[in-house]
Amino acid sequence: DAGVIQSPRHEVTEMGQEVTLRCKPISGHNSLFWYRQTMMRGLELLIYFNNNVPIDDSGMPEDRFSAKMPNASFSTLKIQPSEPRDSAVYFCASRSQGSSGYTFGSGTRLTVV
Amino acid sequence: QQPVQSPQAVILREGEDAVINCSSSKALYSVHWYRQKHGEAPVFLMILLKGGEQKGHEKISASFNEKKQQSSLYLTASQLSYSGTYFCGTESGYSGTYKYIFGTGTRLKVLA
Repeated sequence: DAGVIQSPRHEVTEMGQEVTLRCKPISGHNSLFWYRQTMMRGLELLIYFNNNVPIDDSGMPEDRFSAKMPNASFSTLKIQPSEPRDSAVYFCASRSQGSSGYTFGSGTRLTVV
Repeated sequence: QQPVQSPQAVILREGEDAVINCSSSKALYSVHWYRQKHGEAPVFLMILLKGGEQKGHEKISASFNEKKQQSSLYLTASQLSYSGTYFCGTESGYSGTYKYIFGTGTRLKVLA
């Protein structure tokens, strides 16, 4: 198994530009999570899906952030327009139901200048 | 709301033991433990479900006291490879409405 695959690994963009982060979960995992990690705030849950359906998006900072999961093998997190305070490492993680932990992707390091 | 971990940081010599605590203000369904090395993703260590059981391997184990809403991670005879930041991840709420929150983190450094 290739694990959770995220792309791109690094993204540098100018303020105001649209950014799209991509995630492919582990096949058979039915839950997918988007996390953001910064030094100041640690690991924050942005949104999670069960069976492709968004369950809790209360962690999405504001309307500039949106996430989709059109099918069981793909999810996107979009920021439009991006701002310097969005700079962080964004992790996608997946999990199968029951008593298992998350498997994290390698993350996308986003820098907004 | 974020679970509080203690200590914030710890430095050990190889072979020494450590305990990392995770305390939540909410009733918990489960607690996970992860280790993250610098520049890498968190890696799952173990999960403990409501019921107070202790789980783990030979040298890394954990306990969960659901009454106290606390979990502890035990590292025995530490190795250099144990260095990293340890996070507890908590699930609270009810099926279909779980809240997932990670703790504040504990930085652990093992010296030769």
